[in-house]
Amino acid sequence: QITLKESGPALVKPTQTLTLTCTFSGLSLSTSGVGVGWIRQPPGKALEWLALIYWDDDKRYNPSLKSRLTITKDTSKNQVVLTMTNMDPVDTATYYCAHRHCSSVRCYPFDYWGQGTLVTVSS
Amino acid sequence: EIVLTQSPGTLSLSPGERATLSCRASQSVSSSYLAWYQQKRGQAPRLLIYGASSRATGIPDRFSGSGSGTDFTLTISRLEPEDFAVYYCQQYGSSPATFGQGTKVEIK
Repeated sequence: QITLKESGPALVKPTQTLTLTCTFSGLSLSTSGVGVGWIRQPPGKALEWLALIYWDDDKRYNPSLKSRLTITKDTSKNQVVLTMTNMDPVDTATYYCAHRHCSSVRCYPFDYWGQGTLVTVSS
Repeated sequence: EIVLTQSPGTLSLSPGERATLSCRASQSVSSSYLAWYQQKRGQAPRLLIYGASSRATGIPDRFSGSGSGTDFTLTISRLEPEDFAVYYCQQYGSSPATFGQGTKVEIK
């Protein structure tokens, strides 16, 4: 059974750097084809994909936020970390991590999600 | 970036009725890499459909997806009380992956 859980601060100040950790079980980021991504959702608004890291350390970022994002993995700890610099009140959102995978012939969307963590940006 | 436009914004229906949700892409979605998610208040999204028409594990067969290219549809054949929620489409064939703005299915 695959489970993911996000952790990090509930409140950050404008201009600060946000660090979120996704801790997972039931999957391994050393297995070919496996990826873990981050998606956010401002209150009452739609979902926005942020970043994704694959088993081979291939990293993908949303171009609109790329300059502010860094995604890394710690395979031994079963964790993926997302940092976002220069936080602003518009970054207030629930942040989710999620699993996806690719076989040799096709890729699949995010099929397992964490419960999400609400991050508020305010002074 | 592929922009996904969902319609209608809100669908007001009664239990037992059929729901038809639309998702239109600004350019062709490669390999029909189009997914549908259901999200209830306070919960994470739940994958319903992938590859435009394949049901995810454990999803009831009243949910079906169709379409290709730029036009996709999610159909719920007979609405159950637990189906009233917000539905999002997502394309995952081109980077960046993008989501539609959502369709809310509410009780009439």
